[in-house]
Parts: sequence; structure tokens; C-alpha cells
Amino acid sequence: QQQVKQSPQSLIVQKGGISIINCAYENTAFDYFPWYQQFPGKGPALLIAIRPDVSEKKEGRFTISFNKSAKQFSLHIMDSQPGDSATYFCAASMSFNDYKLSFGAGTTVTVRA
Amino acid sequence: DAGVIQSPRHEVTEMGQEVTLRCKPISGHDYLFWYRQTMMRGLELLIYFNNNVPIDDSGMPEDRFSAKMPNASFSTLKIQPSEPRDSAVYFCASSLAGDTGELFFGEGSRLTVL
Repeated sequence: QQQVKQSPQSLIVQKGGISIINCAYENTAFDYFPWYQQFPGKGPALLIAIRPDVSEKKEGRFTISFNKSAKQFSLHIMDSQPGDSATYFCAASMSFNDYKLSFGAGTTVTVRA
Repeated sequence: DAGVIQSPRHEVTEMGQEVTLRCKPISGHDYLFWYRQTMMRGLELLIYFNNNVPIDDSGMPEDRFSAKMPNASFSTLKIQPSEPRDSAVYFCASSLAGDTGELFFGEGSRLTVL
């Protein structure tokens, strides 16, 4: 069973809208939470990552929010663009150099122009 | 800069045949990973190496799967004999110890077993 539960499975958003993807985990030993972006026919690529000592991290239009007490974290894509259409995976591991990442099931985001 | 290079990109084979997938990691990276991606199970870590030594192979589904890393610039994942349920996209990824923890994935090898 997956150690990181991700929702929704897919979402459609209009250009300029906000995409929100949620993830939840059970293992309190997890200490590193990256998000990977995957375009069709390509491998996943790191988008942004967060440690639990901060509640939010922003890089451009992408923001991770982290709620340690609820064991949840989410990805917000602001001002969504057609080029953001991809599958997004949340993941978790014991530390940034613990390479046993547990991936969520993925969310396919479609941005309509 | 060359990224992680995988071959073949596509492989179609018949049940019972041997399949060998190949990977060249990014030069200088000391970790190498093999992942499998399917619709049903998502991204699964099969095995990973550090400095060419297998560290954790607990994700390898069964004895039909084997992986080797004879040197720092080459790794193989072999399936013998292959079965239809092995059909998936197999990704190789590499990383550099002490860096950000980022995994650099190849473009994958799509395997279809008939």
C-alpha cells in the first residue's frame, strides 16, 4: 500500500486558475517532501521540495504548504498555464539523502486555454 | 549536459523472453535507481546502488528480476523470463550524495510483454 496518499487523481483548470493537489502521510519519521512533475513520454523531474521545519515554500507560481500536525502537504499552482499540464507526484522520505522515496499515485493536471 | 540515458526506449517482446534494459547515469553521480511505473501501482522503487554496490533490492518483485552495475557509468535491469504483468515503463535515475537529494530521471524504457 502507498505510504503517501494523493488526491485528486486528475483535475482540469482554466488558464489563470489555481490548481491544488493534496497529499497525506502516516509515517511521522518522514522528513523530506518533494514534488515531481512529469510530462508525457518523459521521466519525472523535481519541481520543488520542503522540509517540515517550514510551513510554506514558494518558487515562482508553485507553492508547497505543509501541515505537520495534520500530516498533510499540498501543492498550489497559481495562474495555471497550458504548459503546466502534466502529472504531478508528491513524495516523502526520511531525509533528503534517504533515497527510498515513497511516491503518491499522481495527479494529472490539464490546463485549458 | 547529458542527462540519464536509457535504452531501449521501447521494447516489445513475447512472454518467456529475456529482456535487458540499460542505463547510463549522469557522470559523477554515485547513486543509481531503477523504478517501475504502472497505472495500477504508480512509481515503485525496485533497487538502488551506491558506488556500484546494491544497497536495497527489496522492491525487486521476484527472482525473475536482476540488476547489475558493473561500473559507475552503466547499469542493467534484466527480466528473465518476462511475463505480461511486467509490462510497464522502467525508469533509471541517478543522484549525487550530499547534494539536494534530487533524483534525475531518464526518459524511461516502455516494455510490452505479449
